[in-house]
Amino acid sequence: RKEVEQDPGPFNVPEGATVAFNCTYSNSASQSFFWYRQDCRKEPKLLMSVYSSGNEDGRFTAQLNRASQYISLLIRDSKLSDSATYLCVVTRAGGNRDDKIIFGKGTRLHILP
Amino acid sequence: DAGVIQSPRHEVTEMGQEVTLRCKPISGHNSLFWYRQTMMRGLELLIYFNNNVPIDDSGMPEDRFSAKMPNASFSTLKIQPSEPRDSAVYFCASSPGGGQHFGDGTRLSIL
Repeated sequence: RKEVEQDPGPFNVPEGATVAFNCTYSNSASQSFFWYRQDCRKEPKLLMSVYSSGNEDGRFTAQLNRASQYISLLIRDSKLSDSATYLCVVTRAGGNRDDKIIFGKGTRLHILP
Repeated sequence: DAGVIQSPRHEVTEMGQEVTLRCKPISGHNSLFWYRQTMMRGLELLIYFNNNVPIDDSGMPEDRFSAKMPNASFSTLKIQPSEPRDSAVYFCASSPGGGQHFGDGTRLSIL
């Protein structure tokens, strides 16, 4: 089993709809979690960190479920500009050679007009 | 503010040649990361530095790859000799702790 897994999609969603996708991780020692978005032929850009209590940034909500070992990203009132690949990142404690930073392969989202 | 700066943006070279990729992190960021991205394998962490010291190089594919960070404002990733299977987009990222900021990447094609 891969350490970080995402549904590759694509998710084809009409503009204005709500869409959610998950990212599962296998190592219970994982400590930090992030969502990035990557546009075609561009670099990944940090979208938001994921906190244990869940966090919201405008139309975006990220949540962490430690018991089931997954993080989620929910996008409300989706816009055409939300079309991108969404990458989840899972890391373990920092500062020593046991550190691991693992990117998922991403979920492709297409917002349809 | 200047972000992470990578050079060159594109590199096309013949197999067997030495390739050197360069990265200038964001000032004040104490962690620097090198990644490789391909369609088949996605984004893979090659190596990362904390305060100029290599912390995890387990992702470096083989001895042909080497990375250095001689000071807080500069890092290189070298491939010698290069092979066609090294063709990919190579990203450098830096972080003050937490989320990472990526450069525009270097598109490398080995013929």
